[in-house]
Amino acid sequence: SQQGEEDPQALSIQEGENATMNCSYKTSINNLQWYRQNSGRGLVHLILIRSNEREKHSGRLRVTLDTSKKSSSLLITASRAADTASYFCATVLMDSSYKLIFGSGTRLLVRP
Amino acid sequence: DVKVTQSSRYLVKRTGEKVFLECVQDMDHENMFWYRQDPGLGLRLIYFSYDVKMKEKGDIPEGYSVSREKKERFSLILESASTNQTSMYLCASSLARTGVIYGYTFGSGTRLTVV
Repeated sequence: SQQGEEDPQALSIQEGENATMNCSYKTSINNLQWYRQNSGRGLVHLILIRSNEREKHSGRLRVTLDTSKKSSSLLITASRAADTASYFCATVLMDSSYKLIFGSGTRLLVRP
Repeated sequence: DVKVTQSSRYLVKRTGEKVFLECVQDMDHENMFWYRQDPGLGLRLIYFSYDVKMKEKGDIPEGYSVSREKKERFSLILESASTNQTSMYLCASSLARTGVIYGYTFGSGTRLTVV
């Protein structure tokens, strides 16, 4: 069952611009995570934000979480061509399981 | 560096064959997971395991089984491969600590084609 939905499905920007991806989910969560996937490869964990946190930074990444709206956003600042990839949000539910439930992903293209 | 290794990057098997997909992690993680990824459907959880010899069904376990005889190894078994099991298979592991949930580490994936 899909918990998260990313928006937009695809995004094309110029190098140097900022990229914003949004994620909405349906049920209460323990935490929300963002992953990156290069074409045909495995996923790489980028950042985790817990349900009691509102914002988190890691390098050029900024993640926000609004539990009242059940939504999160991932901002990549000063994008580079190497940021071209698919980005997925994933949620861990409040049922104490360790399962990650993934959204459908956003395909980001950064044009040089 | 933390690693999850999947034994094959590409695999082609015939309909009806028994297929083993192997996953090994070197991080002493308790939790291991198998997902399949299909265009338009995202990642779907097949099976997962919290400890040696333990297994739990995910969202789409039909047609699959798993084995976890050692902590570092989690095998996905297709009992009788069918063409609708053609997919990208991703293995992941994570640390388990009571009350704390960590990010997953993924393998590079196995692209399985059943002909």
